[in-house]
Amino acid sequence: AQSVTQPDIHITVSEGASLELRCNYSYGATPYLFWYVQSPGQGLQLLLKYFSGDTLVQGIKGFEAEFKRSQSSFNLRKPSVHWSDAAEYFCAVGDSGNTPLVFGKGTRLSVIA
Amino acid sequence: EAGVVQSPRYKIIEKKQPVAFWCNPISGHNTLYWYRQNLGQGPELLIRYENEEAVDDSQLPKDRFSAERLKGVDSTLKIQPAELGDSAVYLCASTNHRGDEKLFFGSGTQLSVL
Repeated sequence: AQSVTQPDIHITVSEGASLELRCNYSYGATPYLFWYVQSPGQGLQLLLKYFSGDTLVQGIKGFEAEFKRSQSSFNLRKPSVHWSDAAEYFCAVGDSGNTPLVFGKGTRLSVIA
Repeated sequence: EAGVVQSPRYKIIEKKQPVAFWCNPISGHNTLYWYRQNLGQGPELLIRYENEEAVDDSQLPKDRFSAERLKGVDSTLKIQPAELGDSAVYLCASTNHRGDEKLFFGSGTQLSVL
């Protein structure tokens, strides 16, 4: 069965510090992997996605993610966090390039001065 | 260009009452999705439409939930009767499966069942 695990419910980082949000997945076939961000009152916004090719994927807002097949992971990173990055982040797996089928429970990111 | 529009933004009803949510996808998007997001959880896919046809409704609780997409544009999701456990945010999303087109989400309808 397909599943996505985001082990960290809540993370707090200082502005300017680096960030890594963890995501592990379980999927029978080669997965499409996504990271979305959700700010309060806003719709989900796609940060980046991966299916094949280079395992390091660049996204919007300075985010990147690395696919590691051996670890079934797709961790999201940002070298320097801005206060505006405070939001909920969701990892998802799907069977096509646009359809996230199964989402993780999300990681809430707080940014402190 | 307008994004995916959903209404109402908030809805409060008593249990056993019916409720309906409306979604207007981005113009030209032939694929439409409904997701449900419970508090503290990620979204769960309820139903996927290709034009006016429901191509995946395996996760839709058909005893009380129904959806339609007449003319392959706007869509309505209905719950009748609503239960306390239906309290959630209902998200609509659309895309146009052309190459690498991405999925666009609406802001959702927050339903509270009392």
